[in-house]
Amino acid sequence: QLQLQESGPGLVKPSETLSLSCIVSGGSISSSGYYWAWIRQPPGKGLEYIGSFYYSGSTYYRPSLKSRVTISVDTSKNQISLKLTSVTAADTAIYYCASVTTVSNYFDPWGQGTLVTVSS
Amino acid sequence: EIVLTQSPGTLSLSPGERATLSCRASQRVSSSYLVWYQQKPGQAPRLLIYDASTRATGIPDRFSGSGSGTDFTLTISRLEPEDFAVYYCQQYSRSQWTFGQGTKVEIK
Repeated sequence: QLQLQESGPGLVKPSETLSLSCIVSGGSISSSGYYWAWIRQPPGKGLEYIGSFYYSGSTYYRPSLKSRVTISVDTSKNQISLKLTSVTAADTAIYYCASVTTVSNYFDPWGQGTLVTVSS
Repeated sequence: EIVLTQSPGTLSLSPGERATLSCRASQRVSSSYLVWYQQKPGQAPRLLIYDASTRATGIPDRFSGSGSGTDFTLTISRLEPEDFAVYYCQQYSRSQWTFGQGTKVEIK
């Protein structure tokens, strides 16, 4: 059974880079047909897709975040990473990682999420 | 980008009542790519319905999805206390996923 667990700093200063990791257990991130995605949710607000890494190496990003986002994988650690540069208070959110398959195209499972606050 | 608009923003109902939630897309969405999630406070979203009308594993049959094209509906036939939560629709198109803004189902 696939499980995902996010980790990273809970506090980031404005203009700095937010860096998060997501450890995948119960399966390989190199498995064919999988996207590994990041989604965020500002406090009290809705869900926002950030981007995804396809097992073949392709990446897809939300257009409004594309200039600041990098999603990558470390197959040796079975881990997905998110980097978001030049953060502002608007980037304060719970950040989730999730998996999608090309067959399903829905997010399942999700990690439990990690809150990142952007503040000086 | 396909925009999903959910209505109403908040639905105030009593246990045992029927809930009808709407999700309208700015462009046609394939029914195979329309999904509903439930989210409770402090939890990650939980998959409810995929392919517009197929219940996910373990989801009670009081939850049903319907619709096609640009108009989709999630119906909860008789609300149980554990069903009061926020519900999101989501679509997939051309390697982009978008979510609706959510409908909160609250106890009246």
